[in-house]
Amino acid sequence: DAKTTQPNSMESNEEEPVHLPCNHSTISGTDYIHWYRQLPSQGPEYVIHGLTSNVNNRMASLAIAEDRKSSTLILHRATLRDAAVYYCILKGGADGLTFGKGTHLIIQP
Amino acid sequence: GAVVSQHPSWVICKSGTSVKIECRSLDFQATTMFWYRQFPKQSLMLMATSNEGSKATYEQGVEKDKFLINHASLTLSTLTVTSAHPEDSSFYICSARAAGSGNTGELFFGEGSRLTVL
Repeated sequence: DAKTTQPNSMESNEEEPVHLPCNHSTISGTDYIHWYRQLPSQGPEYVIHGLTSNVNNRMASLAIAEDRKSSTLILHRATLRDAAVYYCILKGGADGLTFGKGTHLIIQP
Repeated sequence: GAVVSQHPSWVICKSGTSVKIECRSLDFQATTMFWYRQFPKQSLMLMATSNEGSKATYEQGVEKDKFLINHASLTLSTLTVTSAHPEDSSFYICSARAAGSGNTGELFFGEGSRLTVL
């Protein structure tokens, strides 16, 4: 699987937008960009995924660069419950997800 | 959204005993289930992939005779840690892909099972 690079940690204030970056310069044409998050002592939770176009859902937005070598997960208004480890993962086939270290998002009240 | 449930949520056992962890898809059929292991302060590591009705495929370095996986139905997969030892203490997490969702669709994760071997 192609590799992704994310900052180890980020900090934001409650009720402000958060932009979580992910670099994936070796992405292949068939790889989907997935984002999952994991709260402490819980299993991961699906956030969003996309291929080429920007995507929106009730949890977040995903902005994908035109060359697809990077993407940004956008939480429009962070709450304390959004504090988690966020994983950016490329998925091109039937295999399971390969998790990197992710970004530890800290939300300050 | 789709729900995946694991049982037990936590278990403590003595060294040398076997422990079974169940993973159920509650409101959908899962043709494929994945088992992960997560040690403290580390990321998830894929252990094996199981398809309903066939043998599991194990990742390199995972002992198939120690971690027995059974996926006998479209809603249930089990992971049995045989002859558990303290180094097997970990957070075990399953995930499932819904039938018909395609290979690149979202996966649904269970809440995890924390195993402590004394």
